[in-house]
Amino acid sequence: GESVGLHLPTLSVQEGDNSIINCAYSNSASDYFIWYKQESGKGPQFIIDIRSNMDKRQGQRVTVLLNKTVKHLSLQIAATQPGDSAVYFCARRGSGTYKYIFGTGTRLKVLA
Amino acid sequence: GAGVSQSPRYKVAKRGQDVALRCDPISGHVSLFWYQQALGQGPEFLTYFQNEAQLDKSGLPSDRFFAERPEGSVSTLKIQRTQQEDSAVYLCASSLGTDTQYFGPGTRLTVL
Repeated sequence: GESVGLHLPTLSVQEGDNSIINCAYSNSASDYFIWYKQESGKGPQFIIDIRSNMDKRQGQRVTVLLNKTVKHLSLQIAATQPGDSAVYFCARRGSGTYKYIFGTGTRLKVLA
Repeated sequence: GAGVSQSPRYKVAKRGQDVALRCDPISGHVSLFWYQQALGQGPEFLTYFQNEAQLDKSGLPSDRFFAERPEGSVSTLKIQRTQQEDSAVYLCASSLGTDTQYFGPGTRLTVL
């Protein structure tokens, strides 16, 4: 069935280093991809998105890369800060649908 | 401005009871989504509204789950005859279109 999964359940990074969180998806019929950050007890918070006709998009300290050939999505966080500690989810929307499919999440731990 | 709000934040129900979960979306947002999030998992799509029309309810797990948005703003997710497997966080999200979604804090439902 359709799925969006993550390679690593937990990622520990030294403060100030760059973080890379990866996501693989199994169904290529997607037109839109999003990364969310979720802190304990809160709802997911939008970080950055990318459409399927793009392969890279940059925001403030974050970059999303989309490789449709290998069905891979990644989130890069520059100069990781303690406030970046959270669970990160990738999500995709099926083409022509309203349905979003989320991955299981990667916990990012920032070490001081 | 005000974000998405959900009430109650916590709900404890005895097995077999009916529950109603409320979502107040951001004013003017056309789209409203409901998700179910189990502990340690990503959100799972339940249903989608465009104004008052429920365009996709494919994620509702059983006919015990019912959602409505009668005036195209506030939405209620109702679960009848709750079961232990219904215990989860129920998230609501709204958006102007169908892209960037803004999530509420969720309602944590515990069925005893």
